[in-house]
Amino acid sequence: GENVEQHPSTLSVQEGDSAVIKCTYSDSASNYFPWYKQELGKRPQLIIDIRSNVGEKKDQRIAVTLNKTAKHFSLHITETQPEDSAVYFCAASRGTASKLTFGTGTRLQVTL
Amino acid sequence: DGGITQSPKYLFRKEGQNVTLSCEQNLNHDAMYWYRQDPGQGLRLIYYSQIVNDFQKGDIAEGYSVSREKKESFPLTVTSAQKNPTAFYLCASKPGGLRDSHTEAFFGQGTRLTVV
Repeated sequence: GENVEQHPSTLSVQEGDSAVIKCTYSDSASNYFPWYKQELGKRPQLIIDIRSNVGEKKDQRIAVTLNKTAKHFSLHITETQPEDSAVYFCAASRGTASKLTFGTGTRLQVTL
Repeated sequence: DGGITQSPKYLFRKEGQNVTLSCEQNLNHDAMYWYRQDPGQGLRLIYYSQIVNDFQKGDIAEGYSVSREKKESFPLTVTSAQKNPTAFYLCASKPGGLRDSHTEAFFGQGTRLTVV
């Protein structure tokens, strides 16, 4: 089955700096890669996703890149703000299997 | 709020007892999921269902059981066979099911289960 690894487990950046979170996946047939943000005490919510026919996707301060050959994808947050502090999860799924496998999460702390 | 509801929010169970966690959605989603969240281990898939009357084991199904008799409902039973059941349980749903996996999954607010 699919295995998703995520690094780092914790990340501390100063406000205004950039943050990068990286994930690797094992199933070469995976073709959908969402990122979820979970604030303290709240449910995970989708912030951005990318499909395997696209190498990069951007939404304001958030971007995701995908390297299918190397089987890794990354989340980039620019100009970080205190409200970006949360746990971020990457995930992968393939085709119509619909099984969504998550990484272990990254706790991002944005300091003033 | 979000169309997917988990209950109860907090649940206490004595050792050796079975307990059932509720998950209901009014989003007309085909696929539903149960995840377990432990510190440092992310979201681990317990069971998932792509369509009514069908479900598959996830990565950590031992000690758990589910049913999918209605599209709206996907209850999870934590049985006495689950050796370490204390955790935060999240239910999710998304449209498409068998037809399309490339869609957003919506999560419930979770149930925190504690074995006492």
